[in-house]
Amino acid sequence: DQQVKQNSPSLSVQEGRISILNCDYTNSMFDYFLWYKKYPAEGPTFLISISSIKDKNEDGRFTVFLNKSAKHLSLHIVPSQPGDSAVYFCAASAQGAGSYQLTFGKGTKLSVIP
Amino acid sequence: GAGVSQTPSNKVTEKGKYVELRCDPISGHTALYWYRQSLGQGPEFLIYFQGTGAADDSGLPNDRFFAVRPEGSVSTLKIQRTERGDSAVYLCASSLNPTSGGASINEQFFGPGTRLTVL
Repeated sequence: DQQVKQNSPSLSVQEGRISILNCDYTNSMFDYFLWYKKYPAEGPTFLISISSIKDKNEDGRFTVFLNKSAKHLSLHIVPSQPGDSAVYFCAASAQGAGSYQLTFGKGTKLSVIP
Repeated sequence: GAGVSQTPSNKVTEKGKYVELRCDPISGHTALYWYRQSLGQGPEFLIYFQGTGAADDSGLPNDRFFAVRPEGSVSTLKIQRTERGDSAVYLCASSLNPTSGGASINEQFFGPGTRLTVL
């Protein structure tokens, strides 16, 4: 049973527009969430994270929103650029429970069209 | 500075053989993690080291899989009697000590992975 779900396998967005990638989780013990970006033949690259004590974290063009009651988080990229085209993974851990392993979703492939 | 490095980048072996995969973490990172990623899936956790000891090996699929980190730096993932289902990309990550407190401590930085193919 998947504890972290990314229900959209792919997303296409026009350059300059906003990209919104969504992620849902089922484990209420998760208290730390991360987004990774992955290019083909490379390892995942850390993008941004958020602790469960916050509902928003921003870093340049990237903003992550967390809705704990809905067990939902989203990554916003504004404005989207062609170099953002990659697979994006949502991940979570239950640090408060002493578990530091990351549980990943299956990823969403983002294509930014010039 | 140097990131996480993994060798070899590709490994092709035959069913039943033994393989070793190596990971060099970021200098100063005391925590090291192994994951594997199958096609179309996200990475799946295998094992986590804090220093030299395996703090969490709950993700190892069976006793054919074993990992060591004898000096608290480089780690080796060992797979005995490989099976075709072991074919995947094996990823290594490192982080600062996540037990030190602070959410950002658990930002894990990944290497490029080793693609293992079992024929």
